[in-house]
Amino acid sequence: ETGVTQSPTHLIKTRGQQVTLRCSSQSGHNTVSWYQQALGQGPQFIFQYYREEENGRGNFPPRFSGLQFPNYSSELNVNALELDDSALYLCASSMGFGAQETQYFGPGTRLLVL
Amino acid sequence: AQSVTQLDSQVPVFEEAPVELRCNYSSSVSVYLFWYVQYPNQGLQLLLKYLSGSTLVKGINGFEAEFNKSQTSFHLRKPSVHISDTAEYFCAVSEGYSSASKIIFGSGTRLSIRP
Repeated sequence: ETGVTQSPTHLIKTRGQQVTLRCSSQSGHNTVSWYQQALGQGPQFIFQYYREEENGRGNFPPRFSGLQFPNYSSELNVNALELDDSALYLCASSMGFGAQETQYFGPGTRLLVL
Repeated sequence: AQSVTQLDSQVPVFEEAPVELRCNYSSSVSVYLFWYVQYPNQGLQLLLKYLSGSTLVKGINGFEAEFNKSQTSFHLRKPSVHISDTAEYFCAVSEGYSSASKIIFGSGTRLSIRP
């Protein structure tokens, strides 16, 4: 148990729709990172938030956006869903944003886009 | 740009046998190195990490890894595996002194333990 929870566990959407995924971090963790894990691949960094501000972004288009709230919860929003967005979405929280910080991962939300 | 290569996509091993999961990385700057484990239908759990200092790193569940800078490798080892070690293992790298803890993952190695 990492103390990081995600909801929902599974989700089915159709192409063109919008989706919001939620994450609850460990108390005291100011940093949350989001990753996309396609089937059979390693996770890919989407972006990171530190104290409610975006603090780094991977190679993902602007239709992937996020929010972080003062109560250690956060959201990943994806607009105009595409079939290739089907994946496991993982959030990870950490005390700080430095590269040496241990990231604690949630169990993920599995998104299927039809 | 950083990258991570896990040389074996699958490794079958008999129970109580030793195992080595191989990982090579490329980076032009100093890096931090990690091994994560993912059990079926679960998120990732940190096994161990190398930040600096001793090149032999000990982690949880009896795993250890050795950082070899000249060979840009960070292989994971366990002297005797158990059925419960069946999982996907990911090697990862994070750029030192980065302003964001962006982790680059390899494609994973599936470890299957045979009784």
